[in-house]
Amino acid sequence: AQSVTQLGSHVSVSEGALVLLRCNYSSSVPPYLFWYVQYPNQGLQLLLKYTTGATLVKGINGFEAEFKKSETSFHLTKPSAHMSDAAEYFCAVSASYNNNDMRFGAGTRLTVKP
Amino acid sequence: GAGVSQTPSNKVTEKGKYVELRCDPISGHTALYWYRQSLGQGPEFLIYFQGTGAADDSGLPNDRFFAVRPEGSVSTLKIQRTERGDSAVYLCASSPGTGVEQYFGPGTRLTVT
Repeated sequence: AQSVTQLGSHVSVSEGALVLLRCNYSSSVPPYLFWYVQYPNQGLQLLLKYTTGATLVKGINGFEAEFKKSETSFHLTKPSAHMSDAAEYFCAVSASYNNNDMRFGAGTRLTVKP
Repeated sequence: GAGVSQTPSNKVTEKGKYVELRCDPISGHTALYWYRQSLGQGPEFLIYFQGTGAADDSGLPNDRFFAVRPEGSVSTLKIQRTERGDSAVYLCASSPGTGVEQYFGPGTRLTVT
């Protein structure tokens, strides 16, 4: 079965600094990979997803992630953090196209300091 | 347009009681998912509906948990004989079909005292 490990339950950056949230996955088949963001008292919102094709995926709000098969990683980055980026971020993996078997990591809480 | 809604937003119940949690998906979405999110954890899959039928209920932890979607729209997650370990946020998501984005509701926070 597929699984996801998010390294670092809390990440703190200064406004304007690079954001790097780490995600490593385990899957016996080519994975489908996702990043979701969760703001307080709101549902999860899809930031970006990798299915096939280009390994560098661009998402909303200036975020992007790169699928590296050799490293089994799908790290999320943003060149310059904004205060509004403070939230909980979840990496998820699915082994099937229909995404009915999505498995989430434990999440990383991003804090942005002024 | 309206997103996925869940009611109630908060539910406090005593150990041993029965609870029902409701999910209203986005209109026209055929797929519906339930997840459980415990404190400090990511969402954990419980059950998936395609239309009225449960296509995959492998995530339900035991037979105290049951979910229905009788008309292929609204779904109810039912928990019998609640235990303190059931305390969590229960998330619902819907999608227009398989292989596409799931849209999440805000969740129901269940506290069992």
